[in-house]
Amino acid sequence: ILNVEQSPQSLHVQEGDSTNFTCSFPSSNFYALHWYRWETAKSPEALFVMTLNGDEKKKGRISATLNTKEGYSYLYIKGSQPEDSATYLCASLNAGGTSYGKLTFGQGTILTVHP
Amino acid sequence: NAGVTQTPKFRVLKTGQSMTLLCAQDMNHEYMYWYRQDPGMGLRLIHYSVGEGTTAKGEVPDGYNVSRLKKQNFLLGLESAAPSQTSVYFCASSPLNEQFFGPGTRLTVL
Repeated sequence: ILNVEQSPQSLHVQEGDSTNFTCSFPSSNFYALHWYRWETAKSPEALFVMTLNGDEKKKGRISATLNTKEGYSYLYIKGSQPEDSATYLCASLNAGGTSYGKLTFGQGTILTVHP
Repeated sequence: NAGVTQTPKFRVLKTGQSMTLLCAQDMNHEYMYWYRQDPGMGLRLIHYSVGEGTTAKGEVPDGYNVSRLKKQNFLLGLESAAPSQTSVYFCASSPLNEQFFGPGTRLTVL
């Protein structure tokens, strides 16, 4: 995998549903995997930063897992609420050579939670 | 703390004009980034800096130049604006974990 890829591109769920998205990233020169929440007309805000293979992080109803060997991360939302509607971005931070410090974003998953 | 600020918030340019966008952060972060956001394209990295006096190219550097003369400021310059540079520009700073984003600059090039 050369780029950071997210799936699905968009998702519509009903209030109360649980959902998850996928982020795939290059496993070479990996330093960290970031997840951001981006509401319309606002700036992205960090949800999680994960570095270790097998990391699991949780914030309220949102959690994330990381597999650095195979290059993927999952973001889970339990019991979705309308206020969870946003674009969820993942980004891979590179630690190798001339690209040290470079953060590459995926295109995002747009989540819409219907009341 | 103001966090990350961007100046200006909005700007309209004519093709061929030049301008500089200023990003300032008061968190003493080493790393600073400039992104552009276009519909369906997510955030694309233009240039970034890993410390005062350093800059590096991102994914879409053509048509832009940057400078990091002071640790707290990261300037993005457009020497000869083109309509393809119409976009929303976000600056971010980081201590190399999470990134803190500015409010964005909406630039239109006619």
